Amino acid sequence: RKEVEQDPGPFNVPEGATVAFNCTYSNSASQSFFWYRQDCRKEPKLLMSVYSSGNEDGRFTAQLNRASQYISLLIRDSKLSDSATYLCVVRPTGTASKLTFGTGTRLQVTL
Amino acid sequence: DAMVIQNPRYQVTQFGKPVTLSCSQTLNHNVMYWYQQKSSQAPKLLFHYYDKDFNNEADTPDNFQSRRPNTSFCFLDIRSPGLGDAAMYLCATSTPAGVYNEQFFGPGTRLTVL
Repeated sequence: RKEVEQDPGPFNVPEGATVAFNCTYSNSASQSFFWYRQDCRKEPKLLMSVYSSGNEDGRFTAQLNRASQYISLLIRDSKLSDSATYLCVVRPTGTASKLTFGTGTRLQVTL
Repeated sequence: DAMVIQNPRYQVTQFGKPVTLSCSQTLNHNVMYWYQQKSSQAPKLLFHYYDKDFNNEADTPDNFQSRRPNTSFCFLDIRSPGLGDAAMYLCATSTPAGVYNEQFFGPGTRLTVL
């Protein structure tokens, strides 16, 4: 079983739609969680951290369910510029620096 | 602007010909990482430095080596590139403190092996 699993997509949605991605992780002792965004042939960039209480940043909402070991990302009012690959990222416990990346979910927002 | 810089952005090498990829940072971060990312795959950590302390991943082939002569620079050496080493190589930096500290990535070097 992969340490971090995501549906690769692609998710094709019209502009203005709401779309949700889920991610599961295998290590129950993982300590912190993130969503990174990666544009085609570019480097990953931090979109948002995911806290136990859930957090929101504008149109983006992240949720963490430790009991079920999954993380979600909700994007409301999708824009064309949201088209990218969204990487679910987990920091294993006991590793101050290391991150484990999922393979990403590709989102294509269309007119 | 403070940033992570990688050179070259594109590198073509021949099968078996050694190649060195370069990364520099102006963020003054203690930790520097090298990742390999193949098409449609997750970035895979090869190794990282915490200051001068080198940390190799267990499944990183011996063909991959790294050097960090000072805080700002880190190099990835591929001693004998094979066709399977063609990938994007990403350098990243972070501070060591805090479980939610961000990793900052450079733009990557895309390696082609002929």
